[in-house]
Amino acid sequence: QVQLQESGPGLVKPSETLSLTCAVSGGPMSSSSNYWSWIRQPAGQGLEWIGRIYVSGTTHYNPSLQSRVTISIDPSKNQFSLSLRSVTAADTAVYYCARNAEYYESSDYKYYYYMDVWGKGTTVTVSS
Amino acid sequence: DIQMTQSPSSLSASVGDRVTIACRATQGMRNSVAWYQQKPRQAPKVLLYGASKLESGVPSRFSGSASGTEYTLTISSLQPEDFATYYCQQYYRTPYTFGQGTKLEI
Repeated sequence: QVQLQESGPGLVKPSETLSLTCAVSGGPMSSSSNYWSWIRQPAGQGLEWIGRIYVSGTTHYNPSLQSRVTISIDPSKNQFSLSLRSVTAADTAVYYCARNAEYYESSDYKYYYYMDVWGKGTTVTVSS
Repeated sequence: DIQMTQSPSSLSASVGDRVTIACRATQGMRNSVAWYQQKPRQAPKVLLYGASKLESGVPSRFSGSASGTEYTLTISSLQPEDFATYYCQQYYRTPYTFGQGTKLEI
């Protein structure tokens, strides 16, 4: 049973860098054909996908955040990380990590990835 | 980006009711849609993927369908634990995008 757990500072000052880590337990990341994503949710609002990473290090980012985001992975530690630079109050949110499970869609002969396992989330507040 | 327009934004219903939530996408997506349930102070939980495939462990009263660019979540007989917020999400192309959410209230 794969489980994910986010960790990192709950308070970050404006203009500084938000850094979070997602620890994966229940199986080695390196042996799976999954992507790993970060998602955030401001209080009382909807969900925003930040980006994803494959075990090889291949990344895809949301263009709205691409200039400030880096997602990295360390399969040896079974974890992946989020770095968000130059934060403002608008970056205050609950941050989730999630596994993107692979499945094969026979109707169009392709593999797809959906977010099947989520961490519980960690609240990050940007304030001086 | 693919936009997902979800409706309604809120819905009042009673235990035992049948409810339907819809999402319309701005382009075709080969059924690459998932539905999530989120309760207060909890992470989203996946209910369906591939538009209609039921995630393991999810009750069969949840079902999904697709017609063109419209995707639908149906709960056949509401249970007390189903009152929550529901989101659709496309994973056909990055950036992944979510609908605005539907708050299902008693």
